[in-house]
Amino acid sequence: AQSVTQPDIHITVSEGASLELRCNYSYGATPYLFWYVQSPGQGLQLLLKYFSGDTLVQGIKGFEAEFKRSQSSFNLRKPSVHWSDAAEYFCAVGPQGSGNTGKLIFGQGTTLQVKP
Amino acid sequence: KAGVTQTPRYLIKTRGQQVTLSCSPISGHRSVSWYQQTPGQGLQFLFEYFSETQRNKGNFPGRFSGRQFSNSRSEMNVSTLELGDSALYLCASSPPLGGLGSDEQYFGPGTRLTVT
Repeated sequence: AQSVTQPDIHITVSEGASLELRCNYSYGATPYLFWYVQSPGQGLQLLLKYFSGDTLVQGIKGFEAEFKRSQSSFNLRKPSVHWSDAAEYFCAVGPQGSGNTGKLIFGQGTTLQVKP
Repeated sequence: KAGVTQTPRYLIKTRGQQVTLSCSPISGHRSVSWYQQTPGQGLQFLFEYFSETQRNKGNFPGRFSGRQFSNSRSEMNVSTLELGDSALYLCASSPPLGGLGSDEQYFGPGTRLTVT
C-alpha cells in the first residue's frame, strides 16, 4: 500500500539550531516527493519538490531535502531555524505522469516548535 | 496572480444538512483538487477535476461530490452531514499539463466546516 510516514509528531528546537524532519514513503513506483508547510489557520505552502535528477533539492526559506532511494526517505533539513519556522510540516508523495496531479498522499505531519 | 480562493472560510452546519463549498483556482489553472484535513485522519484526497471532468477520486462515500465549471471554478458538496465531517477542506489547483510546475499543487486557505 502507498503510504508516507513522518515518525516525529512533534519536534522542539532552539532558534539558530539545525533541523531535520524525517519522511519515509512506501510506493510502488518512483514517486514525486514534496514538502509542504502549514501555519495555523492557513493552507499549505510548497517548500520544495523532487521529481528526478539531483537528489539534493533546494527550496524556499532556506530549506533543503535529500532523496535517498535505498532508504525510501526524503528528509527535510535547515541549517539554522528561525522563530518564524514554527509550523506544521507535511511530506507528500504523488504518482509520476500526467493526469495524476491530484492524488497526493500526505504524512501525518510534524509540528515544529522553536524555542527562543 | 491571485492565489487560490475558497469561500466561505468558516461554516457551521447541523447534522443532516447539506453544504456547498466553493474554490476559485489560480488564473490559468485547470486542475482543481479537494482534500479533507482532520486531526485524526490527517490530509486525505477527496477528488480532482480537470476540464469539468472528475479525473481522480479518493476513498470517500458518495455523500461527497463535486463539480467544475467551464471557468475552472469548482464546488464540492456534502449531503446529509455527519459530525465526523467536521474538518478543514482544502482546495488546490495545478498549472496546465506540460507547463512549468504542472505537477505542483497550490493550496487555498481552506474552509473550516463545523457540524453540530
